Amino acid sequence: QKEVEQNSGPLSVPEGAIASLNCTYSDRGSQSFFWYRQYSGKSPELIMSIYSNGDKEDGRFTAQLNKASQYVSLLIRDSQPSDSATYLCAVIDPGNQFYFGTGTSLTVIP
Amino acid sequence: SAVISQKPSRDICQRGTSLTIQCQVDSQVTMMFWYRQQPGQSLTLIATANQGSEATYESGFVIDKFPISRPNLTFSTLTVSNMSPEDSSIYLCSVRASTNEKLFFGSGTQLSVL
Repeated sequence: QKEVEQNSGPLSVPEGAIASLNCTYSDRGSQSFFWYRQYSGKSPELIMSIYSNGDKEDGRFTAQLNKASQYVSLLIRDSQPSDSATYLCAVIDPGNQFYFGTGTSLTVIP
Repeated sequence: SAVISQKPSRDICQRGTSLTIQCQVDSQVTMMFWYRQQPGQSLTLIATANQGSEATYESGFVIDKFPISRPNLTFSTLTVSNMSPEDSSIYLCSVRASTNEKLFFGSGTQLSVL
């Protein structure tokens, strides 16, 4: 069974700190990886995509991918209270199916 | 990214009734999907809405309970039939431009069944 696993949290960080969110996936053939942010009562919003090993930076967000370890992470620098949300990791498997993790709840404390 | 309009945004329904959710996209898209998100849970794929043919349902979901239509490349509906309180969830329409492209979501429908 294909799985995408995340620590459900909640993860609490003080404002201005770095938030680190982690995700592992089971299908070694997966090639595309995404992070979605979901505010309470809202639909998921795509914030990052990554396809190659290494880091990808976009503003305060950095996605990291390690295919050998089947590990994806999202770093949020200078965390703001507005970053408080649930973050969903998603993976496209070799069959082009999307799989979502259960999400990590992040709270940024002012 | 496509603009995806979904309605209604929320509804409160009685047990045994049915609700049809509409999803309109501002551009033609190859793939449309319907997801369910139960309280505190992640996303569960209900079905892939196929243009001009029957939807492809995931394990645990059946056409009689969740009939889906997709008459063209920009519009789809999901009906939740004979509702019970267990159907209380957020229902999300989503689209992908091609098999390797990102997945985008509509604004969702918050359904509560009494």
